[in-house]
Amino acid sequence: EVQLVESGGNLVQPGGSLKLSCAASGFTFSGSAIHWVRQASGRGLEWVGRVRSRANSYATAYAASVTGRFTISRDDSNSTAYLQMTSVKTEDTAVYYCTRGDDFWTGYYFAFDIWGQGTMVTVSS
Amino acid sequence: DIQMTQSPSSLSASVGDTVTITCRASQNIRSYLHWYQQKPGKAPKLLIYAASSLQSGVPSRFSGSGSETDFTLTIGSLQPEDFATYYCQQSYSTPQTFGQGTKVEIK
Repeated sequence: EVQLVESGGNLVQPGGSLKLSCAASGFTFSGSAIHWVRQASGRGLEWVGRVRSRANSYATAYAASVTGRFTISRDDSNSTAYLQMTSVKTEDTAVYYCTRGDDFWTGYYFAFDIWGQGTMVTVSS
Repeated sequence: DIQMTQSPSSLSASVGDTVTITCRASQNIRSYLHWYQQKPGKAPKLLIYAASSLQSGVPSRFSGSGSETDFTLTIGSLQPEDFATYYCQQSYSTPQTFGQGTKVEIK
């Protein structure tokens, strides 16, 4: 079965750290770009960042709101991506989704075709 | 960053109606425009990619059109399971950005 499964969401204090995981199965993880998208309660979708494949040097990119605080990485041997969150703020409270996009041109125009179920991160004292 | 503006923010419609949602990009994004459906408590689901291509398994009552800066999602003959929030998204440049969403409610 093609799927992404997030884990690691929790309650964390402002200024603290948390690491989310995204486990993949059923597709060629190593050739895919993995993105993280978050959604605060009652709000819209916000792209957080992405990690590209080995062929693209595992290049990362981030939204301005998390640059310098969040780090995305991947372990292709375990088909897992990670989102390391540090110096978290109350405004980081959201459901965090990982999602897959192509890392090379396939005619799909880099749409996000596979999504995980999400994991909840709450930043509060 | 490319700004994506959807309209309307919400709408009320009846089963069997045809619904149209628009999305405007702040600059030319060619056909790098996608539509997602999200139901409460669930992850988004890809409906349309590349502005007008129907994702596998998505009913044919969903269609997309447009290019460059102006795009449209049309739902023909609205079904009960179509009441949800719809988002457009551009993948032309990083950061990928989403529209603010359009909530389709039952009239």
